[in-house]
Amino acid sequence: AQSVSQHNHHVILSEAASLELGCNYSYGGTVNLFWYVQYPGQHLQLLLKYFSGDPLVKGIKGFEAEFIKSKFSFNLRKPSVQWSDTAEYFCASGGYNKLIFGAGTRLAVHP
Amino acid sequence: DAGVIQSPRHEVTEMGQEVTLRCKLISGHNSLFWYRQTMMRGLELLIYFNNNVPIDDSGMPEDRFSAKMPNASFSTLKIQPSEPRDSAVYFCASSTTAGGYGYTFGSGTRLTVV
Repeated sequence: AQSVSQHNHHVILSEAASLELGCNYSYGGTVNLFWYVQYPGQHLQLLLKYFSGDPLVKGIKGFEAEFIKSKFSFNLRKPSVQWSDTAEYFCASGGYNKLIFGAGTRLAVHP
Repeated sequence: DAGVIQSPRHEVTEMGQEVTLRCKLISGHNSLFWYRQTMMRGLELLIYFNNNVPIDDSGMPEDRFSAKMPNASFSTLKIQPSEPRDSAVYFCASSTTAGGYGYTFGSGTRLTVV
């Protein structure tokens, strides 16, 4: 069965620090990969997605993710975080039927 | 594009009462997903529909929960009778395909059962 693992449940950073959130997926045929963000009290919003082509995907708000097929990974990165990036981040893998979400990583950015 | 619209935004009800949550899909989307989010269990998929047909309801916690799609653009999630442990934020999401191209989420309904 398809699954998505996020390595860190909670991450605390200072502003301007670099961010990398880990995500591993189990192979399930066609690989469609996503990162969603949920700001406090809000719904999930799409940050970026990968279907095929360039494995380095750029999303909104300066986020990017790299698809590494050999490692079954799709890690999210941002060179310099801001206080406004405080949120929960979900990695998801989409097969034919539905998206499988990871458990989420709560990011707290301190000024 | 109005996005996925959920109502109500907040619902407070007494234990034993019936609760109905509503969701309007984005025009042209043909897949609908109901999720429940709690601190303890995170984001759980309850049920999803494709072209108005329920495909997988294995996430529905028990018979007190039911979901319908009376037409291609609208869905309801009903809890009868409600219990305090049903308190959560319920999200619906829609997609143009059966999930493979990402979802658009609604703003959620925060349900509190007292």
